[in-house]
Amino acid sequence: LAKTTQPISMDSYEGQEVNITCSHNNIATNDYITWYQQFPSQGPRFIIQGYKTKVTNEVASLFIPADRKSSTLSLPRVSLSDTAVYYCLVGPSNTNAGKSTFGDGTTLTVKP
Amino acid sequence: GAVVSQHPSWVICKSGTSVKIECRSLDFQATTMFWYRQFPKQSLMLMATSNEGSKATYEQGVEKDKFLINHASLTLSTLTVTSAHPEDSSFYICSAVLVGLGLTYEQYFGPGTRLTVT
Repeated sequence: LAKTTQPISMDSYEGQEVNITCSHNNIATNDYITWYQQFPSQGPRFIIQGYKTKVTNEVASLFIPADRKSSTLSLPRVSLSDTAVYYCLVGPSNTNAGKSTFGDGTTLTVKP
Repeated sequence: GAVVSQHPSWVICKSGTSVKIECRSLDFQATTMFWYRQFPKQSLMLMATSNEGSKATYEQGVEKDKFLINHASLTLSTLTVTSAHPEDSSFYICSAVLVGLGLTYEQYFGPGTRLTVT
């Protein structure tokens, strides 16, 4: 299972765009990249998943370069409620998806 | 979207007793569910994989006789912490895999169960 590396923490201000990068040098051919958000005392919440290039949904964008050794989660115009821990997971998109290893995550603090 | 529930949301028990935690996928069927444990200020640690109709697969270092897992149906998995001790106090989170259109596999997490053993 690919190991991921993320910044431990990031600070931002309301209304700014936030980009969180995750390194996954040992990503396998059949691995997908998934990002989760977790608030204290809650389960992680699915944000976005991608395999290559760019994926966008109503809350975020995910940028994956051609070599797939890293990925960047982009949160447009963050608000105070986006303060949370963000996890990048790399693993197979099959029934073993849950065996992907959670890294330490990035604690994002949004300030007014 | 897909919803996974857990019951109870929090529980306090005395040392030596057993506690059962339920994980349900409310609007989809899940042949595979996962159980995680999370200590304060730490990341999630996978404990075991729960497969409907078969025995659970435990991660290295997790005692299968202490953490009993039963996946009796496609929407329910249970984790029983037997003979609980204070060091078992933690936040237990389950997840279920949803197979979407185009065979995408998305993992949805429950809200977690806070276990405190006194």
